[in-house]
Amino acid sequence: DARVTQTPRHKVTEMGQEVTMRCQPILGHNTVFWYRQTMMQGLELLAYFRNRAPLDDSGMPKDRFSAEMPDATLATLKIQPSEPRDSAVYFCASALRVVNQPQHFGDGTRLSIL
Amino acid sequence: DQQVKQNSPSLSVQEGRISILNCDYTNSMFDYFLWYKKYPAEGPTFLISISSIKDKNEDGRFTVFLNKSAKHLSLHIVPSQPGDSAVYFCAAVRVTGNQFYFGTGTSLTVIP
Repeated sequence: DARVTQTPRHKVTEMGQEVTMRCQPILGHNTVFWYRQTMMQGLELLAYFRNRAPLDDSGMPKDRFSAEMPDATLATLKIQPSEPRDSAVYFCASALRVVNQPQHFGDGTRLSIL
Repeated sequence: DQQVKQNSPSLSVQEGRISILNCDYTNSMFDYFLWYKKYPAEGPTFLISISSIKDKNEDGRFTVFLNKSAKHLSLHIVPSQPGDSAVYFCAAVRVTGNQFYFGTGTSLTVIP
């Protein structure tokens, strides 16, 4: 059963450090999404890509967050410098299309910034 | 501005009874709606969807109802089972503009 793989599953680091989260989408899916889950906001969409090109990153704080797809099998989300308010669970999802298809989620990266 | 709202953060139901999870939306231009289920320490998984041209879609114990005039959809689980205990997210999609929005989730507890 094909799955979206996220690494690491957990990350604890100190404020100011760079954090990189990785995602391997399902083979053949050309759309990749990054979400952040917080208690108050539920699932916040940070950015998404189609065919490795960013389509929308309006949900992402641009000064410290960056998202890339170096190739079709890897998506990355970086935070530099990290802050305690970035502590959350970050999910990656992939789909065959941006819309009209359900998204398949990874199990998330639980990030704690001390 | 929340375009999709789940106003009940939690719900408890006895095993065997019906669970009804609700979702309200603000944009009448949404094309279809989805429900996802999420267990702790796992990512959400797709459960069921409904097109805006329909008012009901059923898949086994799960039925989604859409009331476009009220901008309201609901997920019915009958009969509820302890394994249904999870957080349920509704999502709305507008194809034009590739827009989609998730609600904040409702935590369902099914009591054995």
